[in-house]
Amino acid sequence: DIVMTQSPDSLAVSLGERATINCKSSQSVSCSSNTKNCLAWYQQKPGQPPKLLIYWTSTREAGVPDRFSGSGSGTDFTLTISSLQAEDVAVYYCQQYYSTPQTFGQGTKVEI
Amino acid sequence: EVQLVESGGGLGQAGGSLRLSCAASGFTFRNYDMHWVRQATGKGLEWVSGIGTGGDTDYAVSVRGRFTISRENAKNSLYLQMNSLTAGDTAVYYCVREGPTVWSAFDIWGQGTTVTVSS
Repeated sequence: DIVMTQSPDSLAVSLGERATINCKSSQSVSCSSNTKNCLAWYQQKPGQPPKLLIYWTSTREAGVPDRFSGSGSGTDFTLTISSLQAEDVAVYYCQQYYSTPQTFGQGTKVEI
Repeated sequence: EVQLVESGGGLGQAGGSLRLSCAASGFTFRNYDMHWVRQATGKGLEWVSGIGTGGDTDYAVSVRGRFTISRENAKNSLYLQMNSLTAGDTAVYYCVREGPTVWSAFDIWGQGTTVTVSS
């Protein structure tokens, strides 16, 4: 199984400041036949199911604010919230969907 | 509106069985791979099982041989038969849609149904 490791486990950021979450996969998650990586980011607020934010490393899901961005290649990936808003308080998970079982990172809690 | 609604959770006995259901609406269910993902209280996300449009299935090692995923396209429904339950199966179970293309992320999640296994 591909192991996904996020850092840090938790993060406190002031309103309007940048938040950066890292995710490392134990092996490549490059989807064959193209240069994309099968790496997604989800946001989970308390009492709610996860919500897809970003897929293919850097493509924002429809309706996701552009303050959320994803980057990375190989085995190292990053989710950046450029200007943290109060509604961004949540746990964020990375996921590889290159191979079964699709595996998630342990989560990063973002607080104000 | 695209929606997934789970049901069937509740209290189960260790060694017993439960059957979860997921009703899909707002999209052409038969065209999508579907999954179950679970989350124990205060813990992270764990993929449990998936089923393709052709009925092919996959399972996490932790549930293989005990859980069975199935779908009924005519009823726009996904199921998870859970047998030989253990305390480790206690979690919120989410019904999840995989996106439409080859290699897609999980784009639609239900609200979840809670399974509690007592010993």
